[in-house]
Amino acid sequence: TQLLEQSPQFLSIQEGENLTVYCNSSSVFSSLQWYRQEPGEGPVLLVTVVTGGEVKKLKRLTFQFGDARKDSSLHITAAQPGDTGLYLCAGHQGGSQGNLIFGKGTKLSVKP
Amino acid sequence: NAGVMQNPRHLVRRRGQEARLRCSPMKGHSHVYWYRQLPEEGLKFMVYLQKENIIDESGMPKERFSAEFPKEGPSILRIQQVVRGDSAAYFCASSPLDETAWVFGPGTRLTVL
Repeated sequence: TQLLEQSPQFLSIQEGENLTVYCNSSSVFSSLQWYRQEPGEGPVLLVTVVTGGEVKKLKRLTFQFGDARKDSSLHITAAQPGDTGLYLCAGHQGGSQGNLIFGKGTKLSVKP
Repeated sequence: NAGVMQNPRHLVRRRGQEARLRCSPMKGHSHVYWYRQLPEEGLKFMVYLQKENIIDESGMPKERFSAEFPKEGPSILRIQQVVRGDSAAYFCASSPLDETAWVFGPGTRLTVL
């Protein structure tokens, strides 16, 4: 059983479209992080959300943490080919702070 | 300020050989984390270390795997007597004392023939 379910698994859109990807769990997380990973590289941290209901914006990216701290979403406005990549959510649930639980990711492809 | 460095980037070993993966954290980062990424799988936690200390190794197989982060030098993930199932991308990340700003390295892709 995957603790963090990400959907959709794959998403292919045209440049300029908007999209939302989701990260869901039946468990509560003390914080959630979103990463973007390109082929052959390590994940790059985009944002950390800590407070239930929190909304953070990073240029065209909007991140939301659910009120119950069990889910999160990432919305991209006017997607660009440079947004192509694997978007991962990860959270701390307990245990040591080193033990970050990752979802399998949403693979986004933005076509010009 | 260089990011997290991992070497080698690619490593090929035959079954039964040893694999040594190195990770140099970012300057000023005192925490190192190792993760493994199998094809079509998410990143899985292996071990969390501070200098000269293993804090949490709950994700690391009990046999053949070991990790260290000495006072001087890089963190090392060592896999003895590798098997085909060890083929994966191994990532390390580091963070400063406040533990929030994780930076991942580019990974080492291990292939076991």
